[in-house]
Amino acid sequence: QKEVEQNSGPLSVPEGAIASLNCTYSDRGSQSFFWYRQYSGKSPELIMFIYSNGDKEDGRFTAQLNKASQYVSLLIRDSQPSDSATYLCAVNPPPGNTPLVFGKGTRLSVIA
Amino acid sequence: GAGVSQSPRYKVAKRGQDVALRCDPISGHVSLFWYQQALGQGPEFLTYFQNEAQLDKSGLPSDRFFAERPEGSVSTLKIQRTQQEDSAVYLCASTTDRVDTEAFFGQGTRLTVV
Repeated sequence: QKEVEQNSGPLSVPEGAIASLNCTYSDRGSQSFFWYRQYSGKSPELIMFIYSNGDKEDGRFTAQLNKASQYVSLLIRDSQPSDSATYLCAVNPPPGNTPLVFGKGTRLSVIA
Repeated sequence: GAGVSQSPRYKVAKRGQDVALRCDPISGHVSLFWYQQALGQGPEFLTYFQNEAQLDKSGLPSDRFFAERPEGSVSTLKIQRTQQEDSAVYLCASTTDRVDTEAFFGQGTRLTVV
């Protein structure tokens, strides 16, 4: 059973704070990890992808991957009200080159 | 085209009616995916194609669901004898040749079965 688990939230953070979004996955051999943002009524759009253990930074966003713990996270620095959305974690399960499996998403609310 | 295009954007069907949802992927994208997203849930995989070949249809919930991509470009998801539990947003996505790269999503079709 391929599973990607996320806390559904809502996660509320004040404007300017760091938002931390977490995701765990069940398939140890998973190789590619993605974070998508989905505004209400809109389609998912890619924020970050990460393939290797460690941190990957892109502007205010940092993705962190720990394959040993089967854990991937997304940090959003200097959170803005426009970051308020649902954040979807997605994983390519083994053997790789397989369709994405999504978590249920975490709803983030940034309070001005 | 510039992005993935889906039509119609909204569809209301009476229970028992057949519906057809269309997806026009990004030009040149080899892989095409269909996902179903219920309210408050993440997208659930239905099926995917590489060119015209349907490589995985394990996510289709019943034999009332059928997808095709006869010329390796536009795809149609057909749902026969719709039921209320089919109400959801149906998302189409496409990628280049590899499946494990960024997927570009269309705006989705919101299906409501009454």
